[in-house]
Amino acid sequence: GQQLNQSPQSMFIQEGEDVSMNCTSSSIFNTWLWYKQDPGEGPVLLIALYKAGELTSNGRLTAQFGITRKDSFLNISASIPSDVGIYFCAGQLGRTSGTYKYIFGTGTRLKVLA
Amino acid sequence: GAVVSQHPSRVICKSGTSVKIECRSLDFQATTMFWYRQFPKQSLMLMATSNEGSKATYEQGVEKDKFLINHASLTLSTLTVTSAHPEDSSFYICSARLHEQYFGPGTRLTVT
Repeated sequence: GQQLNQSPQSMFIQEGEDVSMNCTSSSIFNTWLWYKQDPGEGPVLLIALYKAGELTSNGRLTAQFGITRKDSFLNISASIPSDVGIYFCAGQLGRTSGTYKYIFGTGTRLKVLA
Repeated sequence: GAVVSQHPSRVICKSGTSVKIECRSLDFQATTMFWYRQFPKQSLMLMATSNEGSKATYEQGVEKDKFLINHASLTLSTLTVTSAHPEDSSFYICSARLHEQYFGPGTRLTVT
């Protein structure tokens, strides 16, 4: 199935550092979302973006919906050990077809060193 | 708010048997739920879209006779893996749509 390209694939950072990851697609999406998944759990919604150019924050997390609608990035500031996990971007296909399916990114595995 | 549960969280079954997984939206009604499959260290792959009161829509390559989906109420969708085989062993995750998709905790299926 189709997946979005997400980078980096994995990263090790020191506690307190800022983190940046992005997601790109060849297709246009109307909505971009970012989720975090802990091992053995379901993904948890972090941020949802609905308009091109939109910049939204949720605590230490900031995400932007790219102007071209084909990309998005997520920043985490001042990382802490509990930020460890896998971060997935997801794009929602157009609403005109009545579908609300998501296409998921390949994931970024984050490890924070205390 | 927007809590989704799944039951069971883990199940082990013998090859050839069927297994039912339930997905419930606990504090909201969802006309649309989704079923995903996730292999180790991989992303989520959509299997099917479950619509309340109508037939599920399956993604290409997913056998609808093997993965039976029923969405009989606005808070419950079930996935039945029929005649399970070891290659069906995976992590199955459901989501329910409010405005965005909210995910359940997943079900680990092991077929021996």
